[in-house]
Amino acid sequence: GESVGLHLPTLSVQEGDNSIINCAYSNSASDYFIWYKQESGKGPQFIIDIRSNMDKRQGQRVTVLLNKTVKHLSLQIAATQPGDSAVYFCAENQSGGYNKLIFGAGTRLAVHP
Amino acid sequence: NAGVTQTPKFQVLKTGQSMTLQCAQDMNHNSMYWYRQDPGMGLRLIYYSASEGTTDKGEVPNGYNVSRLNKREFSLRLESAAPSQTSVYFCASIEAADEKLFFGSGTQLSVL
Repeated sequence: GESVGLHLPTLSVQEGDNSIINCAYSNSASDYFIWYKQESGKGPQFIIDIRSNMDKRQGQRVTVLLNKTVKHLSLQIAATQPGDSAVYFCAENQSGGYNKLIFGAGTRLAVHP
Repeated sequence: NAGVTQTPKFQVLKTGQSMTLQCAQDMNHNSMYWYRQDPGMGLRLIYYSASEGTTDKGEVPNGYNVSRLNKREFSLRLESAAPSQTSVYFCASIEAADEKLFFGSGTQLSVL
């Protein structure tokens, strides 16, 4: 629900602008990364994933970039729309198997008309 | 096309009360998971079931029990609720070949 969004960093953008949401991951051995979108009152929804043998992966209006040197992941959203307003968080898979997923706390994206 | 269904959506308990959170998926997934989500924190795994008939502890299992009733259903039980268990609880499922976790819409639990 809404309460899980408290204390999160917020990125405010204008409708139509591009958004970049960043994530620092913890384990250099992690080999699989996922971005999720969570709208208020809903469960997380898969957006895009990337494996450690790739630097970049593109989806529809979204691009994920992986920089293994500095353990950094970013999600780029092109032409941001009001429907993109949500909490976005990354997850890293440290050793295979979804029982080992580590989730970040997230960033709230606020899209203004 | 329901996906993962959780009940109830909201619940208020008094300290010491017990309750069971229900989860069912209609995607024929083998693996199911229970997470909790607290303000300012990432999802944390409570318990998971890799396949029907098996359950294992996750990162924060204390105070919880689970039952994989059949392939569709995975329940989470709080035997004696504590205020520290106030949280939003999410059930998820996955088919390994797909590698995408599907989440339910969550249960917001308050323990007073």
